[in-house]
Amino acid sequence: EAQVTQNPRYLITVTGKKLTVTCSQNMNHEYMSWYRQDPGLGLRQIYYSMNVEVTDKGDVPEGYKVSRKEKRNFPLILESPSPNQTSLYFCASSLAGVTGELFFGEGSRLTVL
Amino acid sequence: QKEVEQNSGPLSVPEGAIASLNCTYSDRVSQSFFWYRQYSGKSPELIMSIYSNGDKEDGRFTAQLNKASQYVSLLIRDSQPSDSATYLCAVRGSGGSYIPTFGRGTSLIVHP
Repeated sequence: EAQVTQNPRYLITVTGKKLTVTCSQNMNHEYMSWYRQDPGLGLRQIYYSMNVEVTDKGDVPEGYKVSRKEKRNFPLILESPSPNQTSLYFCASSLAGVTGELFFGEGSRLTVL
Repeated sequence: QKEVEQNSGPLSVPEGAIASLNCTYSDRVSQSFFWYRQYSGKSPELIMSIYSNGDKEDGRFTAQLNKASQYVSLLIRDSQPSDSATYLCAVRGSGGSYIPTFGRGTSLIVHP
């Protein structure tokens, strides 16, 4: 089954405690991206990757890091989480030629206390 | 800054009616247009893509694109309560602008 898998789905953590949200896709997609979704603000892109070892900032990259060492994986790293990073996070992937046709993971709800 | 605008709603329609969702965009060179459906607490799901002017039909859904006026719309015929969701419009540019820009979504409520 074609899918994008995120983990963890739910996480409560404290300010400053480093965390990683993993994302893996099994569709051999070149393009992967991270979004956060907040009420009234819609989907905002954090980082994206056009292929292995190629990453770039989206609209709201501050406080986040990513890496793309393998085609299937695109982890999101919060080195020192803060309460304003409390949000619903989505990973998405697509074929490079049709980057608007995104497959989304189920989402990771993060709460930073 | 590329912008994609949607009325946040909620748009309320009776069961069986046609729901009309609209989206305008600012980047004239945009080439690809998408509609996603997002149920509450779930992830967005692609329901329609449209790349050229005119209408594209898929079952009860019709996407309409007018590049001259810079708008794209989604019509849902014979609306069902199960269509109640937030509908996100996404627009992708051409050339190096591969990254889609999302609107904030329109909430649709279909009442029995």
